[in-house]
Amino acid sequence: GAGVSQSPSNKVTEKGKDVELRCDPISGHTALYWYRQSLGQGLEFLIYFQGNSAPDKSGLPSDRFSAERTGGSVSTLTIQRTQQEDSAVYLCASSSRGGGAGTQYFGPGTRLLVL
Amino acid sequence: KQEVTQIPAALSVPEGENLVLNCSFTDSAIYNLQWFRQDPGKGLTSLLLIQSSQREQTSGRLNASLDKSSGRSTLYIAASQPGDSATYLCAVTNSGYALNFGKGTSLLVTP
Repeated sequence: GAGVSQSPSNKVTEKGKDVELRCDPISGHTALYWYRQSLGQGLEFLIYFQGNSAPDKSGLPSDRFSAERTGGSVSTLTIQRTQQEDSAVYLCASSSRGGGAGTQYFGPGTRLLVL
Repeated sequence: KQEVTQIPAALSVPEGENLVLNCSFTDSAIYNLQWFRQDPGKGLTSLLLIQSSQREQTSGRLNASLDKSSGRSTLYIAASQPGDSATYLCAVTNSGYALNFGKGTSLLVTP
C-alpha cells in the first residue's frame, strides 16, 4: 500500500512569506506527527495528532507555526512570516497506534529554504 | 529532558565486516526505542522497534539490543554491504509519544 506522502517535496520562499506543507498519512493511521530536521540540530518533534483529540502542540517553536488535521486524515503545517531559521526538512510520520506505542512511518519530507 | 547520544558520529568499514552502532539515553523510563535508516535526501525508514519490555529485535542481518536500566542500545549489522551506507538514527519514546532522536551515525561501507 501507499506510504506517507508529503508535498511539495521542495519549497523556496522569501523571508516574510507564509508557506503551507501537506502530509497524507497511511490510510487508517490514527496518529500523525510532524518533525523538523535542521542542519546541526537533528530531528525535533513539532506536533502530534491522535484521532479526534486535541493536538499536542508542545514542540512548535513559535506562534508562527500552526497545524491542522482535517477529517482525521490529511494534515497541513503552516508557517507564517517565514524566517531564515525556519529553513529545514519538515518530516511527517503516521502510526496505526497512538501514544507512541507503534512504529512511526515517515514520509520523504519537504525541504524548505527561506531566502 | 531526554538526551539521546549516538557514537560514533561517522564510521567507514570495508564490505563484509560486522559492525556495531551505539545509542545511549539519559532517561531510562522509555516506552520504546526505534532504529531508523536515512538515505541522503530521503525520509526515514524504520528498521527495528524494541518495546521497553523487550531485550532485542532481529530483522535479517540487523539485530538491535536494549538495556533499559543502563540506558543503552546497540544496532549490530552483520556482513555489511555497500547498500548499507546511510545515516542510522536511534530514537526513544518516553511517557509521551514524540520520538527523541540522536544525531545519527553516518555509515560508509566501501566495496
